[in-house]
Amino acid sequence: AQTVTQSQPEMSVQEAETVTLSCTYDTSESDYYLFWYKQPPSRQMILVIRQEAYKQQNATENRFSVNFQKAAKSFSLKISDSQLGDAAMYFCAYRLSYGKLTFGQGTILTVHP
Amino acid sequence: NAGVTQTPKFQVLKTGQSMTLQCAQDMNHEYMSWYRQDPGMGLRLIHYSVGAGITDQGEVPNGYNVSRSTTEDFPLRLLSAAPSQTSVYFCASSPGTGIHEQYFGPGTRLTVT
Repeated sequence: AQTVTQSQPEMSVQEAETVTLSCTYDTSESDYYLFWYKQPPSRQMILVIRQEAYKQQNATENRFSVNFQKAAKSFSLKISDSQLGDAAMYFCAYRLSYGKLTFGQGTILTVHP
Repeated sequence: NAGVTQTPKFQVLKTGQSMTLQCAQDMNHEYMSWYRQDPGMGLRLIHYSVGAGITDQGEVPNGYNVSRSTTEDFPLRLLSAAPSQTSVYFCASSPGTGIHEQYFGPGTRLTVT
């Protein structure tokens, strides 16, 4: 079974600074998809960014970017110019092309003004 | 579009009671799923459906039933509530698997006493 591990239960960052959240996963497949979801205190799950494993280029969405290392099975999220609104729980998730979404345990991000 | 709606938002049950959590989506999505969120464990898949009339078990299906008689609705039934089922429940839908984004409902906080 595929597993997703987020080794940082909590992280903090100063406003306007950069922070990186870690994620590793375990799979024997070569074709899969990776996601980062954000869950603010409102509890709503929001897609932040996604990456196809067959693409070597790292995905970016405005201030959010990933460092996808396929051989190392690592998928970290970098948040640049952190804002107070970035404070949330962040979940890394993995999915095969036909399969179910598997989530990591989550990382709570605190942003200090 | 209302997106994914869930009712109720909060519920308190006594051990042994049964109830149904409602989930509906108006985006004509084929893929729907139910997750539970517990502290330190991320979101875990309970049941999912790839289309009307088709359901399958996820990671933690025991104590829950689902059915999918229409594309729009995917109710989750708790047969005999137990304190271990105290959790936040999320319903999600997507137009397919793979790279497709999952759209989440607002969640239901369930407490079993």
